[in-house]
Amino acid sequence: EAGVTQSPTHLIKTRGQQATLRCSPISGHTSVYWYQQALGLGLQFLLWYDEGEERNRGNFPPRFSGRQFPNYSSELNVNALELEDSALYLCASSPGQGSSYEQYFGPGTRLTVT
Amino acid sequence: QKEVEQDPGPLSVPEGAIVSLNCTYSNSAFQYFMWYRQYSRKGPELLMYTYSSGNKEDGRFTAQVDKSSKYISLFIRDSQPSDSATYLCAMSANAGGTSYGKLTFGQGTILTVHP
Repeated sequence: EAGVTQSPTHLIKTRGQQATLRCSPISGHTSVYWYQQALGLGLQFLLWYDEGEERNRGNFPPRFSGRQFPNYSSELNVNALELEDSALYLCASSPGQGSSYEQYFGPGTRLTVT
Repeated sequence: QKEVEQDPGPLSVPEGAIVSLNCTYSNSAFQYFMWYRQYSRKGPELLMYTYSSGNKEDGRFTAQVDKSSKYISLFIRDSQPSDSATYLCAMSANAGGTSYGKLTFGQGTILTVHP
């Protein structure tokens, strides 16, 4: 069974630009979660989507946004990039709302902002 | 104060040793307790999850949860060099609260098992 996939693997952007990161969940999973893993800050929750709806959001500014498509894949958009947005962005999926504790992670997208 | 505290280590042990990894937490709403393993430049891998208090065993791994003390542990028996990684504890709450759906992670403990 294929795991969570993310693209691209690496992304280099300039401050002020926009970044788009993509995630495909495990087949049969309806919930997708986004986390930021910045050096020294650990894993921080960003967003949770289930059945196309945003269910919860972490303490991040509105320039972090996303969406979930009908096939349950998801996109994370980061606008007006800042240097401190440089981090590993991890996507996870779970079978559904009731199994939100059972999250399986992808390999991540490493975003570098220069 | 962070909701979840985890000793970052690093922890270095000889092959075959029993490893003990621990986390403490402050949020009483946490009901699910998870352990993840993360190899360098990879995504975290779910090792085990436990609901409420008690023990759970899976092969060489045993997870323990003591909700009265707000303390969780992961024991690794007969540790192997391939166990060398960062171990992260994570916690989540039941439905109905603002924490629902999100995992709150500890900082991670770096473990090295040397031959």
